Amino acid sequence: QMQLVQSGAEVKKTGSSVKVSCKASGYTFTYRYLHWVRQAPGQALEWMGWITPFNGNTNYAQKFQDRVTFTRDRSVGTAYMELSSLRSEDAAIYYCATQGSGSSHFDYWGQGTLVTVSS
Amino acid sequence: QSALTQPASVSGSPGQSITISCTGTSSDVGGYNLVSWYQQHPGKAPKVIIYECSKRPSGVSDRFSGSKSGNTASLTISGLQAEDEADYHCYSYAGSSLWVFGGGTKLTVL
Repeated sequence: QMQLVQSGAEVKKTGSSVKVSCKASGYTFTYRYLHWVRQAPGQALEWMGWITPFNGNTNYAQKFQDRVTFTRDRSVGTAYMELSSLRSEDAAIYYCATQGSGSSHFDYWGQGTLVTVSS
Repeated sequence: QSALTQPASVSGSPGQSITISCTGTSSDVGGYNLVSWYQQHPGKAPKVIIYECSKRPSGVSDRFSGSKSGNTASLTISGLQAEDEADYHCYSYAGSSLWVFGGGTKLTVL
């Protein structure tokens, strides 16, 4: 069955970077858009952007454009989200989620990765 | 790219119906029939319950229904049950390959 498995929780200092991984299984990795979504404690979901694993094309929400980079490694079916210049407001659960080709909704989600930012 | 507007909270008694609104603009909700709704229980990842404004994935109860009028999409839950108590999030295409979530709504079953 389709599954997205994310890397474990991270504790980072303000000003540093964090890189979260999302390993896909149970489907052809290159066939589906892979999105990143975050959720600060007690807050709403926030869309960060997507990557197409087929060719590595990306599109970022304006808010994150200067600080986030999405990459992927097709050989291991894994996508990565790196966020730099971390601030306290970046403390959140980060999710990867996938949309089927031609689809407009997320049908599979990773389990989430908690990122804690401290000074 | 502003978040879509949802009420912060709604409540209802078991058996009642409730509706959650999701208001955007003609550039997102109003411009496309690409609104989906997600249910999220505490400590869990979201789960899709409505897509393309009014379609229900297989396995989702028919007590959940969606609609759209102008720049506002709506989620209706009929025959409220205790297990429906959760957070609900709307999500819409916003053009130029961009997407946006709503502010989320906490549903309390009294």
